[in-house]
Amino acid sequence: AQKVTQAQTEISVVEKEDVTLDCVYETRDTTYYLFWYKQPPSGELVFLIRRNSFDEQNEISGRYSWNFQKSTSSFNFTITASQVVDSAVYFCALGGGFKTIFGAGTRLFVKA
Amino acid sequence: DAGVIQSPRHEVTEMGQEVTLRCKPISGHDYLFWYRQTMMRGLELLIYFNNNVPIDDSGMPEDRFSAKMPNASFSTLKIQPSEPRDSAVYFCASSFVRPSYNSPLHFGNGTRLTVT
Repeated sequence: AQKVTQAQTEISVVEKEDVTLDCVYETRDTTYYLFWYKQPPSGELVFLIRRNSFDEQNEISGRYSWNFQKSTSSFNFTITASQVVDSAVYFCALGGGFKTIFGAGTRLFVKA
Repeated sequence: DAGVIQSPRHEVTEMGQEVTLRCKPISGHDYLFWYRQTMMRGLELLIYFNNNVPIDDSGMPEDRFSAKMPNASFSTLKIQPSEPRDSAVYFCASSFVRPSYNSPLHFGNGTRLTVT
């Protein structure tokens, strides 16, 4: 069975702090994709990143970085120098076959 | 390019009434998904279509729920009769090729359904 676990329900930080959102996944597929989506208070779901199971290179995009470790089945997301606009719910997702399974989400509060 | 368009944004209805949610996917996308989001259950996949054909409806909670895709640019999700426990945000998403191996999901803004 496929499963995505985001153990952190809520995280609260002060602006400019770094924060890491954890994601652990389970799958028996050898080929799969991992995603992160952001859901700001306005409610829409915004795609942030996709990583396939054969590419364990870490990725950096501005203040965002992602650490994919197949050995620990983890795909963690770090925001450097957080800003108030980063306040949102962040979802980790696993794609296998035609379905995308979402974790429960981590709500991030960034206080000014 | 316009994104996925859902209507209405908000729907308030009384128990027992029929509710129809609408979705226009991104042009060229051949997969369409309906998700439901609640606090208790998170984001659940209800049904998805490929080239207008329903492929997997195993997530549809009950026979009260039905979905159609009469053409490549339009899909509906209908609940009849509606119940208070159907209250949720319903998202439509589209993608191209095989979503999990190529395109990420592109979501609409969702329809917030409240059944009283």
